[in-house]
Amino acid sequence: DQQVKQNSPSLSVQEGRISILNCDYTNSMFDYFLWYKKYPAEGPTFLISISSIKDKNEDGRFTVFLNKSAKHLSLHIVPSQPGDSAVYFCAASKNTDKLIFGTGTRLQVFP
Amino acid sequence: NAGVMQNPRHLVRRRGQEARLRCSPMKGHSHVYWYRQLPEEGLKFMVYLQKENIIDESGMPKERFSAEFPKEGPSILRIQQVVRGDSAAYFCASSPDWPEAFFGQGTRLTVV
Repeated sequence: DQQVKQNSPSLSVQEGRISILNCDYTNSMFDYFLWYKKYPAEGPTFLISISSIKDKNEDGRFTVFLNKSAKHLSLHIVPSQPGDSAVYFCAASKNTDKLIFGTGTRLQVFP
Repeated sequence: NAGVMQNPRHLVRRRGQEARLRCSPMKGHSHVYWYRQLPEEGLKFMVYLQKENIIDESGMPKERFSAEFPKEGPSILRIQQVVRGDSAAYFCASSPDWPEAFFGQGTRLTVV
């Protein structure tokens, strides 16, 4: 039962353009959402998060949007940089419970 | 403040041997989580521990796997009688409080 889904396994974007990574979830009880970034042979690093009481959170080049009615969130990276090339995981949690992760999207930013 | 420390980084075991993976959480963090990542898959929750307590082990296989987080020392994930299917990257994360978790660099277990 995959409660958090990232349906695009990979995404390729030109440097300077916008990267949009998508995530869908099935459990309406989730009340906190996070994005993690992972380089090969390293652990995931926290990127940005959003509470279910908000629909947008912004931090520099990174913005997360939450659409609760659609059970959908997205991560926007503007402008994309080659150093952003990594695997991005979305994660969700409810009521102090553990994080449930999606399967990840591999982003490649090319010059 | 050092990050989450996992050791060893790489571990090779023959089928039937035991694997012990260690995780030292960040200073002041009392919550530890273990996740497993199989090739080409996402991070799968295994177990959530606090000091001397297992809070949630719903992701742990029923046999051969165990975890502890003693009052003193690191958290240990123990896999007995390893099989090829146990080959994966095992990540530990620690947290001072819900929901943000900080991950270690992982232990890559290879069963030959």
